[in-house]
Amino acid sequence: AQSVTQLGSHVSVSEGALVLLRCNYSSSVPPYLFWYVQYPNQGLQLLLKYTTGATLVKGINGFEAEFKKSETSFHLTKPSAHMSDAAEYFCAVGPSGGSYIPTFGRGTSLIVHP
Amino acid sequence: DTGVSQDPRHKITKRGQNVTFRCDPISEHNRLYWYRQTLGQGPEFLTYFQNEAQLEKSRLLSDRFSAERPKGSFSTLEIQRTEQGDSAMYLCASSATSGRASEQFFGPGTRLTVL
Repeated sequence: AQSVTQLGSHVSVSEGALVLLRCNYSSSVPPYLFWYVQYPNQGLQLLLKYTTGATLVKGINGFEAEFKKSETSFHLTKPSAHMSDAAEYFCAVGPSGGSYIPTFGRGTSLIVHP
Repeated sequence: DTGVSQDPRHKITKRGQNVTFRCDPISEHNRLYWYRQTLGQGPEFLTYFQNEAQLEKSRLLSDRFSAERPKGSFSTLEIQRTEQGDSAMYLCASSATSGRASEQFFGPGTRLTVL
């Protein structure tokens, strides 16, 4: 069984400030972890993913995430927020147990103030 | 490669009517997924195809829901006797590789409103 918990349904930051979106997971096997972004009225787009190897993963648009096994976390960060980063962000844990279906978190809405 | 497309983008229907949605995946992708997303929630898995075979179905998929992918290319999702609780965004995604780390490419979704 696997699950994802995203802490905070809304995160508000000022333009130029650090962005931190939290994700904790539960998985019975070594996890594959994903962050997706969804802009209004659009589908989800992959930001980055962790499979194996380096625990700090860099993605598109200046985002990165660090896999911490001891904390079962995969938090998403960006040093400096832009207005265009305002969107919904979803963390997902990859499939396991013979299934090819990932499990998504409930999402965190990032609000960026000028 | 034009990405995953879905049609229609919006559908308004009256309770009790049947609706059908179409998804065209990226052409070389053999895996296709349907999800449902309601406000404030992440995508919830409905069903999954590998080529034309429907390999997994969620318990969310009641008998009123049926999905097909007859030639392993496009897919349709039909909802019979729609209910107000069916109002949601229906997302389609496709992927190419067979591993657990496969990236899913999502379409823009079909927003269903049941009156």
